[in-house]
Parts: sequence; C-alpha cells; structure tokens
Amino acid sequence: AQSVTQPDIHITVSEGASLELRCNYSYGATPYLFWYVQSPGQGLQLLLKYFSGDTLVQGIKGFEAEFKRSQSSFNLRKPSVHWSDAAEYFCAVAIRGGYSTLTFGKGTMLLVSP
Amino acid sequence: ETGVTQSPTHLIKTRGQQVTLRCSSQSGHNTVSWYQQALGQGPQFIFQYYREEENGRGNFPPRFSGLQFPNYSSELNVNALELDDSALYLCASSLRGQANYGYTFGSGTRLTVV
Repeated sequence: AQSVTQPDIHITVSEGASLELRCNYSYGATPYLFWYVQSPGQGLQLLLKYFSGDTLVQGIKGFEAEFKRSQSSFNLRKPSVHWSDAAEYFCAVAIRGGYSTLTFGKGTMLLVSP
Repeated sequence: ETGVTQSPTHLIKTRGQQVTLRCSSQSGHNTVSWYQQALGQGPQFIFQYYREEENGRGNFPPRFSGLQFPNYSSELNVNALELDDSALYLCASSLRGQANYGYTFGSGTRLTVV
C-alpha cells in the first residue's frame, strides 16, 4: 500500500526566512504528487501538483516543490515566508490512471515567528 | 463556477446516535469522495461515489455509508456513533474520480461525539 511520510510535525520559521517541508512517499511506481495547505478550521487548498515533466513545479503563493525520483521525495519550498503562511501543510499522493484517491501524510504545522 | 459546499459546518451528537452530512459538488464534477480527518492527523479516505455508485472504499466499517444523487451531490451517513468518530469530515469533488483532473475540497463538517 502506498504511504506518505512527513517527518516534521512542527516547524518554526522566522518571517522572511526560507522554508523547506519534507515529504517522502512509498509506492511501487511514481504516483501523482500534491501539496495542500489547511488553515485552522478550513478545508484543503491545493498549492501545487506534479504529474510528469519538469521536476521543479511552481505553485500558488510563491511555493515550489521538487520531485526527486531517486529519493522518493517531493519537498516543498518557499524562499521567503510571510506570517500569513502559518498553517498546516499536507503532502499527498494518488496512483496514476483509472479511479484513484488521495493518500495523505500526517501534516506539518508551520509556525512563523516575527 | 461554484465550489464544494458542505453542511452543516459543525454539529454535536451523542454516542449511539446517527448523523447525516451533506456535500454539494463543484459544477461539472461527477465524483465525490469523503475523508475523515481526526485531530492532528491527515485526512483518511472513507469512500468515493461516481455516477451514484460507490466505486472505492477505505478502511472504514459498514456503519459509514453514503449516497450520491443525480445532481452529483452526496451524503455521508454514520450510524451508532462512537467517540472516535469525532473529526473533521471533508468532501472532495472531481471529474471521473481521476487524480489528474484534480480535486476540490469543501471546508468540512466538524463532528463532535459526546
């Protein structure tokens, strides 16, 4: 069965500093890869996704992620964090082709300090 | 284009009772998936409906059931509520249930079982 690991439960970053959130997946083939953000009490908003092609993908709000097949990783990055980025971030995977559903990691809570 | 709407936003039920949660899918989407997000966890897949039939189910007992209507809206029913059913329930709509078409999430229903 596929699984997603987000090793950091909480991360605190100073405003203006760079950010990297880690995500590793376990699956037989390269799945579709996603990053979602969830503000308190809210649903999930898609930040970016990787299906194929260029392994560096750009998303909304200045986020980007890099797919590394050799490491089964899909880490999320942002060069300069804003206080409004404080939220929970989820990495998710889905199998390719046919009916599929999302398998999520447990999430990383991002705290932004002044 | 309307997004995914879920109702109610919050509710409190007593252990042993039954509950129905509702979801209106995004315009043009014919597939609805339901996820349970316990506190501090990532969303977990419950089941998916496509063209009014269940076409996938996660590791949830039969007391979790659902329906999809001809207008593609959906209900999630939970019988014999247990304390562990307390969670945020998320609905996601998509086209044909295929990941490459993308998922749109609602803001969720917060269920508290006392």
